[in-house]
Amino acid sequence: DAKTTQPNSMESNEEEPVHLPCNHSTISGTDYIHWYRQLPSQGPEYVIHGLTSNVNNRMASLAIAEDRKSSTLILHRATLRDAAVYYCILTGSARQLTFGSGTQLTVLP
Amino acid sequence: EAGVAQSPRYKIIEKRQSVAFWCNPISGHATLYWYQQILGQGPKLLIQFQNNGVVDDSQLPKDRFSAERLKGVDSTLKIQPAKLEDSAVYLCASSLEPVQGGGSPLHFGNGTRLTVT
Repeated sequence: DAKTTQPNSMESNEEEPVHLPCNHSTISGTDYIHWYRQLPSQGPEYVIHGLTSNVNNRMASLAIAEDRKSSTLILHRATLRDAAVYYCILTGSARQLTFGSGTQLTVLP
Repeated sequence: EAGVAQSPRYKIIEKRQSVAFWCNPISGHATLYWYQQILGQGPKLLIQFQNNGVVDDSQLPKDRFSAERLKGVDSTLKIQPAKLEDSAVYLCASSLEPVQGGGSPLHFGNGTRLTVT
């Protein structure tokens, strides 16, 4: 079963960029890389997803390594409201959306 | 676009009682999911519906949990009888297409926090 590895926690200063890494060395060719985040007392929120190419949306950017064995979620300018648990998840290949423990992002004022 | 609606927001019951949670997905979303999130852990899938049919209920404790999605829209999740270890947040999510295809994101409600005493 394809697994992702993320740091347990990261800190960032407000208004600075944040790079959240994710390793997925056993990714298959049909797996999509999804990112979700969960703010306190809320359900998970979809952030972004991609297959091979880098992706941008209003919330973040997703940079995918050329061999697809790792990816990075980029928040261009962190705010206090971005403090959350960020989950990197592989989907596709008949796989469910399975959450790991994610990365707890702390944003310092 | 209205999000996924869940009710109630909180529920406290005693062990061995029964409880039901309700979910209304985003309009047009054929796929609906129920997740259980125990404090300090990531959400765990309980059941997935495609329209009103069950796609995956392999992690649903069927001796006490049941779920239905009549008419392929709203869904209810029931626990009977509840145990202390059922204390958790129960999250409902929906997607336009099944997550197994890879490209369709899930949209989650804010969940029902269940406390079993």
